[in-house]
Amino acid sequence: DIQMTQSPSSLSASVGDRVTITCRASQSISTYLNWYQQKPGKAPKLLIYAASSLQSGVPSRFSGSGSGTDFTLTISSLQPEDFATYYCQQTYSIPWTFGQGTKVEI
Amino acid sequence: QVQLQESGPGLVKPSETLSLTCTVSGGSINNYYYSWIRQPAGKGLEWIGRFYTDGSTNYNPSLKSRVSMSVDTSKNQFSLKLSSVTAADTAVYYCAREEDMVRARRFDPWGQGTLVTVSS
Repeated sequence: DIQMTQSPSSLSASVGDRVTITCRASQSISTYLNWYQQKPGKAPKLLIYAASSLQSGVPSRFSGSGSGTDFTLTISSLQPEDFATYYCQQTYSIPWTFGQGTKVEI
Repeated sequence: QVQLQESGPGLVKPSETLSLTCTVSGGSINNYYYSWIRQPAGKGLEWIGRFYTDGSTNYNPSLKSRVSMSVDTSKNQFSLKLSSVTAADTAVYYCAREEDMVRARRFDPWGQGTLVTVSS
């Protein structure tokens, strides 16, 4: 299985901050990397697919980059509604696997 | 817009079979992969497996011996069965549509999730 490792596991930030979350794959996954946002009691919401493509309807303050094994999710200016847990996911090789999550707190 | 909705018993006894259904509304179920994903309380996401509407399946090796998936295209529904459940199978279960693209594969939309508790 491909292991996905996110860092940090949690972070504290303020409204307006630039936030960066990293995700590392245990082997190359090309650009088969998705990012999701999950709020308590809700299903994950797709933010970024193909490592850097913004899902329709997602604010442009979210961006993704990377290929191969190293990926980054950036929130350019953190908004109150962005406090949530973020997961990366590889869909290069079955079984699809997720990172352990990064909780963004105030 | 397409929506997915999980349904099924919220309580299953140990050693029995967990059965869930996902209903697709707002569009046809055909010509897509659909996945099941679960999340124990306070923990991360685990992919259970997927099927295509032609009947082909892929399962997570960690659960493969206990999982089966099926589809009823006439009802726009697909199902998950997980046998011989234990407390470790207690989780919120999600269904999601999988879309293949150029150098990408994304999960969207997701159902709202349904909590299944394994307890006697």
